[in-house]
Amino acid sequence: AQSVTQLDSHVSVSEGTPVLLRCNYSSSYSPSLFWYVQHPNKGLQLLLKYTSAATLVKGINGFEAEFKKSETSFHLTKPSAHMSDAAEYFCVVSDGAAGNKLTFGGGTRVLVKP
Amino acid sequence: GAVVSQHPSWVICKSGTSVKIECRSLDFQATTMFWYRQFPKQSLMLMATSNEGSKATYEQGVEKDKFLINHASLTLSTLTVTSAHPEDSSFYICSARVRATGSYNSPLHFGNGTRLTVT
Repeated sequence: AQSVTQLDSHVSVSEGTPVLLRCNYSSSYSPSLFWYVQHPNKGLQLLLKYTSAATLVKGINGFEAEFKKSETSFHLTKPSAHMSDAAEYFCVVSDGAAGNKLTFGGGTRVLVKP
Repeated sequence: GAVVSQHPSWVICKSGTSVKIECRSLDFQATTMFWYRQFPKQSLMLMATSNEGSKATYEQGVEKDKFLINHASLTLSTLTVTSAHPEDSSFYICSARVRATGSYNSPLHFGNGTRLTVT
C-alpha cells in the first residue's frame, strides 16, 4: 500500500523568503512522486514530478524537490516566495502496485505575507 | 498541451434533481479518466476510475447508482449526480492521463473543477 504524509497543514512565509513544504511517503515499489498546486476554486496544476531519474527535480515557477529514498521524503522548496505562491499544495505518490492510482497527501496551505 | 476542460464550473440545483458534469480532454486522448471529490479545506478523494468503453470502477463507499459515470469516447467522460441532496454539495474534479503514456509514472492533468451546491 502507498501513503503520503504532508507534515504541515499550514505554512506562513514572508514574501522573498524561502519556502519549504515537507512530504513523506510510503510505497511498496519504486514510486513516482508529484507536487501539485491548487488555487482557490481551481483544479490542480503540476509543479514537478520524480520518476526515478535525477533525484533533484526542478519544476515550474522556481520550485524544486529532492527525492531522498533513505528518508522516504520528497520535500518541495522555493528560494524566494512570491505573493502568487499563496495556494494549496499537494504531494502525490503513484506506484505500479496501486493500479495507476494516485494517493494524495492532506495538503499544505501556504500563506505569503507582504 | 494536455488540457482538460470541465464543465460547468459551478452549478446550483434543487434537492432531488440530477446534475451532469462533463470532462473533456481537449488535445489528447484519454483511455482513463478519474473523478475526485474535495470537501472544503481537505484533500482530494478518488471516487471512481472511468474507462473508455467499459464500466467505471468505483472506490469503496461510493454509490455507483448515485454517481453515474459514462466514458463514451476517448475525449469525454461524464459524471451524473442523481437525485442530488445537500450532502452531495462539494467540489468535483476530473483528471486524465495522456493515452500514449498511461503508466503510473505519468502525471495526471486536471480540470478546473465543478462546485456543486444542492439547495
